[in-house]
Amino acid sequence: ELKVEQNPLFLSMQEGKNYTIYCNYSTTSDRLYWYRQDPGKSLESLFVLLSNGAVKQEGRLMASLDTKARLSTLHITAAVHDLSATYFCAVRSGGGADGLTFGKGTHLIIQP
Amino acid sequence: EAGVAQSPRYKIIEKRQSVAFWCNPISGHATLYWYQQILGQGPKLLIQFQNNGVVDDSQLPKDRFSAERLKGVDSTLKIQPAKLEDSAVYLCASSLRRLDGYTFGSGTRLTVV
Repeated sequence: ELKVEQNPLFLSMQEGKNYTIYCNYSTTSDRLYWYRQDPGKSLESLFVLLSNGAVKQEGRLMASLDTKARLSTLHITAAVHDLSATYFCAVRSGGGADGLTFGKGTHLIIQP
Repeated sequence: EAGVAQSPRYKIIEKRQSVAFWCNPISGHATLYWYQQILGQGPKLLIQFQNNGVVDDSQLPKDRFSAERLKGVDSTLKIQPAKLEDSAVYLCASSLRRLDGYTFGSGTRLTVV
């Protein structure tokens, strides 16, 4: 059974600081996703990582993937309040099914 | 392009009642998913359709949940009878092809009292 673990589950940080969210998964998968969710809203796609060593950046967010370690990271640079949200990583189940298995999410609060 | 449409937006029912949710995916998207998101948790896949056929329903509680996708377009998810633990947001997602990215709808928030 595919398991996805994120840590930390809760993070409070100050504006201007850097931090990293970690995502470990238990079995081989060919793609990893990062999503953002604001309170009461749906999921917004941030990144899709397809191969070992993949790195993608958008603004202050950068995601990377190490398939050998089954680890992905989401790095936040010089955080701003607008990045406050819950961040989920998700892994495609693989085989004949394409549904995603999600982590529990990281609730991020960025304080001025 | 229009997004994934879901209705109703909110629903409150008593336990043991039945409820149905509706999803209209992005036009032309062959693959449709239903997820259950309990408060404070990540979404959990309930069922995946490819056109109007079921690809994966291994996590669907089939004693009370059912889903269909008529004509490979719209889909409905039904719960009968509802339990308190079914309180959650039910998200619908679609993708153009099986390995494409996913677009999520706004969800239906169900409260069972």
